[in-house]
Amino acid sequence: DAGITQSPRHKVTETGTPVTLRCHQTENHRYMYWYRQDPGHGLRLIHYSYGVKDTDKGEVSDGYSVSRSKTEDFLLTLESATSSQTSVYFCATGSPGRDYEQYFGPGTRLTVT
Amino acid sequence: RKEVEQDPGPFNVPEGATVAFNCTYSNSASQSFFWYRQDCRKEPKLLMSVYSSGNEDGRFTAQLNRASQYISLLIRDSKLSDSATYLCVVNMADNFNKFYFGSGTKLNVKP
Repeated sequence: DAGITQSPRHKVTETGTPVTLRCHQTENHRYMYWYRQDPGHGLRLIHYSYGVKDTDKGEVSDGYSVSRSKTEDFLLTLESATSSQTSVYFCATGSPGRDYEQYFGPGTRLTVT
Repeated sequence: RKEVEQDPGPFNVPEGATVAFNCTYSNSASQSFFWYRQDCRKEPKLLMSVYSSGNEDGRFTAQLNRASQYISLLIRDSKLSDSATYLCVVNMADNFNKFYFGSGTKLNVKP
């Protein structure tokens, strides 16, 4: 398994507050991803990164921003949290030499009240 | 229409049974295919990649049918520990940012 950690693992926050989730990997994988998982939707891509400072939007990027200043860290920020952003957030990494296999972190359970 | 569709189940089977799941995908440009396993409240974990010629890993066999645009997962001699949700994942045209996940098929293996 790729060494991927996420912090925090659980968070409860109020509507309108900014929230930052962190993903840290020790595998030197080039690609990193943020997904959210909601019942009935499967995992949906929020943002992804294909290198340091190289990021782009995924399927459900509205209300989220990301940054990647180092290979090992990928931050997801909810600029002003809303109740619709209550979800489980998974970070993943991938390497192009592995047939695009992805490896997931343990997830962050976020509740916006 | 969703890019990837799976029967949500649950599939309830006794230990030792053989069970099969199918997953259909809508985009014929899809190039890479995977099965992931997800335990309750845990992260998805790669079970196996699916190759054009089909592939087997122990009790697990994956098949790809490009003509009909579906992939399958066969589990033989089911174990209690196989109980989980199985996610079908499709990658478009070998693109690192075009992964589509099915909602998953839940399997319950009972003693």
